[in-house]
Amino acid sequence: DAGVTQSPTHLIKTRGQQVTLRCSPKSGHDTVSWYQQALGQGPQFIFQYYEEEERQRGNFPDRFSGHQFPNYSSELNVNALLLGDSALYLCASSLAASGQETQYFGPGTRLLVL
Amino acid sequence: GQQLNQSPQSMFIQEGEDVSMNCTSSSIFNTWLWYKQDPGEGPVLLIALYKAGELTSNGRLTAQFGITRKDSFLNISASIPSDVGIYFCAGLFKAAGNKLTFGGGTRVLVKP
Repeated sequence: DAGVTQSPTHLIKTRGQQVTLRCSPKSGHDTVSWYQQALGQGPQFIFQYYEEEERQRGNFPDRFSGHQFPNYSSELNVNALLLGDSALYLCASSLAASGQETQYFGPGTRLLVL
Repeated sequence: GQQLNQSPQSMFIQEGEDVSMNCTSSSIFNTWLWYKQDPGEGPVLLIALYKAGELTSNGRLTAQFGITRKDSFLNISASIPSDVGIYFCAGLFKAAGNKLTFGGGTRVLVKP
């Protein structure tokens, strides 16, 4: 049973650049959520995708956007990168029909903005 | 918005000891989840709680969903060196959407 996978594992970008992170959900899951985790802190919710639409959004600027594909995989895009965007980006998947929405996390993508 | 206060922020354990950590909130949650995160990795789900008052075990781990729906605790019995890591509580309130709100984490370290 394949768990949540994310790519790439690490990424280095410079200020002003754009980045795309990818996530494949756990087998059988249809909902993908993205979180940003700064060093020493708990993850912060960015947004959630279900049925290829953004279902809910956290307190993040429009520079953060996403997409969900028909196979339930998802991308997170960040434009005009700032130094403060350096963080571990986590993807979590869940099954909407379960009613419990327990979320399982991938290993994360470590983004460093220079 | 909803916030979770997790305590203690850090603790030292000696092999064989029982340890306890908790999370409190100013608002209610429908679901409480406990995760463990090792350095450089994503959080791994330990225990999920769906009902107020629920007490659930997973091996040496036991967690409870407080009856007020505003708190939860996690106990680790007979700790072993691999219990070292950061433990996070997370709450979900369906009326506010399906996002998880995380506590600040409890860092478990080995007593020198």
